[in-house]
Amino acid sequence: AQKITQTQPGMFVQEKEAVTLDCTYDTSDPSYGLFWYKQPSSGEMIFLIYQGSYDQQNATEGRYSLNFQKARKSANLVISASQLGDSAMYFCAMRGSTLGRLYFGRGTQLTVWP
Amino acid sequence: KAGVTQTPRYLIKTRGQQVTLSCSPISGHRSVSWYQQTPGQGLQFLFEYFSETQRNKGNFPGRFSGRQFSNSRSEMNVSTLELGDSALYLCATAPENPWANVLTFGAGSRLTVL
Repeated sequence: AQKITQTQPGMFVQEKEAVTLDCTYDTSDPSYGLFWYKQPSSGEMIFLIYQGSYDQQNATEGRYSLNFQKARKSANLVISASQLGDSAMYFCAMRGSTLGRLYFGRGTQLTVWP
Repeated sequence: KAGVTQTPRYLIKTRGQQVTLSCSPISGHRSVSWYQQTPGQGLQFLFEYFSETQRNKGNFPGRFSGRQFSNSRSEMNVSTLELGDSALYLCATAPENPWANVLTFGAGSRLTVL
């Protein structure tokens, strides 16, 4: 069974500071993918970053980077230079051997203050 | 390139009624999956369609059904609505395999059951 755990219901960060959102996972699949999505209050899920289980290097996409520690089964999202527009719910998700299906964590509500 | 389009965006129904939601994928995307999002249960996978065939199914009762048309557009139907069906229903689409493809989400259909 696949499981994603996000232990931080809410996080606060000051504008221009960096913030790390935690995510741990559990799976028995040898190959899997890890994703982070952002969900603003409008509801749409916006893809941020992806890490494959066999990728040797941590993924980066602009201000987003994924701190992937395979042995610890963690895939933390790091947002550098936070902006007010980063305030949203952030979801960590995993895809295993079942194509087309993502398993989501409960999310972390990030608030960026001026 | 147009994104994933979900209609209607908002709807209100009463218990016992049925509802049909529509999802038009990004051009070229053949996989369409559906998720239910509620405050209590988070994001839960409903089902996934690929080339008009249901490929995967989550743990929802038979009142929840779906289909996919030859143009890849998908509909989901919920019959005999219950109060607990009030949720944001998200559709996500992806191109064909490989499995590392990112799911692109629509803005969702917010259903309220009275």
